[in-house]
Amino acid sequence: EAQVTQNPRYLITVTGKKLTVTCSQNMNHEYMSWYRQDPGLGLRQIYYSMNVEVTDKGDVPEGYKVSRKEKRNFPLILESPSPNQTSLYFCASSFRDTPINSPLHFGNGTRLTVT
Amino acid sequence: KQEVTQIPAALSVPEGENLVLNCSFTDSAIYNLQWFRQDPGKGLTSLLLIQSSQREQTSGRLNASLDKSSGRSTLYIAASQPGDSATYLCAVRHALSGYSTLTFGKGTMLLVSP
Repeated sequence: EAQVTQNPRYLITVTGKKLTVTCSQNMNHEYMSWYRQDPGLGLRQIYYSMNVEVTDKGDVPEGYKVSRKEKRNFPLILESPSPNQTSLYFCASSFRDTPINSPLHFGNGTRLTVT
Repeated sequence: KQEVTQIPAALSVPEGENLVLNCSFTDSAIYNLQWFRQDPGKGLTSLLLIQSSQREQTSGRLNASLDKSSGRSTLYIAASQPGDSATYLCAVRHALSGYSTLTFGKGTMLLVSP
């Protein structure tokens, strides 16, 4: 089944403890992206990747890192999480060759709480 | 800067009604517009994608229209059912710094009561 898989679904951690949220897709998509969703603010893009070893900042990249060493994986890294990073995170992917007309596929989300 | 607005923020209708959700965007230079559905605690599911050169797309009971020049899109749901209850988001894909990005509206929360 074609899907975008995020892990974990839920994560509670403490300020400053490094964490990684994994994202994997099995559709051979070149484009991958991370979003956070907050009440009243909607979905905001954190980072995106157009292909392996190609990443760029979205609207709210501060406090986050990403890497794209393989086509299928796009982990989100929080080196020193803070409470303002408590949010619902989504990974998404699509084809890049015609990214402008390729639907975006989303994972089921990771709910992160930083205390 | 591209901004996407969805009206209304919430909508409650009885089963069987036809309804329209609205989406407006400030910059008409878009590549496409996509409508998504989000169920509580779940990710987003793509419903319809309208290319900038198209006027509408249909899938089952859903019809999405696009008027790029006026910066508007509507999602029409015919004969609504309780299973349609969800949050509906629209997003526009547009150019940014040599690539393209998606800007989302904040969604319309729809409740269809039996």
